[in-house]
Amino acid sequence: EDQVTQSPEALRLQEGESSSLNCSYTVSGLRGLFWYRQDPGKGPEFLFTLYSAGEEKEKERLKATLTKKESFLHITAPKPEDSATYLCAVQRSGTYKYIFGTGTRLKVLA
Amino acid sequence: GAVVSQHPSWVICKSGTSVKIECRSLDFQATTMFWYRQFPKQSLMLMATSNEGSKATYEQGVEKDKFLINHASLTLSTLTVTSAHPEDSSFYICSARDEGTRLDSYEQYFGPGTRLTVT
Repeated sequence: EDQVTQSPEALRLQEGESSSLNCSYTVSGLRGLFWYRQDPGKGPEFLFTLYSAGEEKEKERLKATLTKKESFLHITAPKPEDSATYLCAVQRSGTYKYIFGTGTRLKVLA
Repeated sequence: GAVVSQHPSWVICKSGTSVKIECRSLDFQATTMFWYRQFPKQSLMLMATSNEGSKATYEQGVEKDKFLINHASLTLSTLTVTSAHPEDSSFYICSARDEGTRLDSYEQYFGPGTRLTVT
């Protein structure tokens, strides 16, 4: 059965304190893995798509990496405005449907 | 680019009434849109896949007679919650994939969500 697990469930960081969020997945025939940011009361905002193991994508303080079993979202020198819930989703070959993880709630303290 | 809108952003209705939520892709076409439901502090749960010009595909456990989906054009899908009850109160979010200009990418773009409260 396809499954996506994110850890930690919640994370508190001091401003400037770098860390990583994990997304472990089990899916037969991965088409893509997607990272989103969601602010309270809003829809998810697209961050990255990763298609194959070894691939990396960067955007400002965020860097996403992918292996055959998991993906990491690295946050370098975070700022309070990076506080949000970060969601990971996988898509199996042959379908456009997402399987979402439960998310990591990130709080960055000034 | 790839902007998805939803209307209304929030709605309060009385138990037993029906509510319609619209999802529009503003700058791209989408033959497929998705409807999700999200409870507080939980992740998104896929309810159904909306297909332009054909019937929606519902996920297991989702009542198709309660959540009516119509995908009338390449830019509009609607979700109607029929005979709403307090347990239908939730955050409803739609998404779509840009099938026009981004053929080689598979990401979905999400609307801002609709908060439904049934009293």
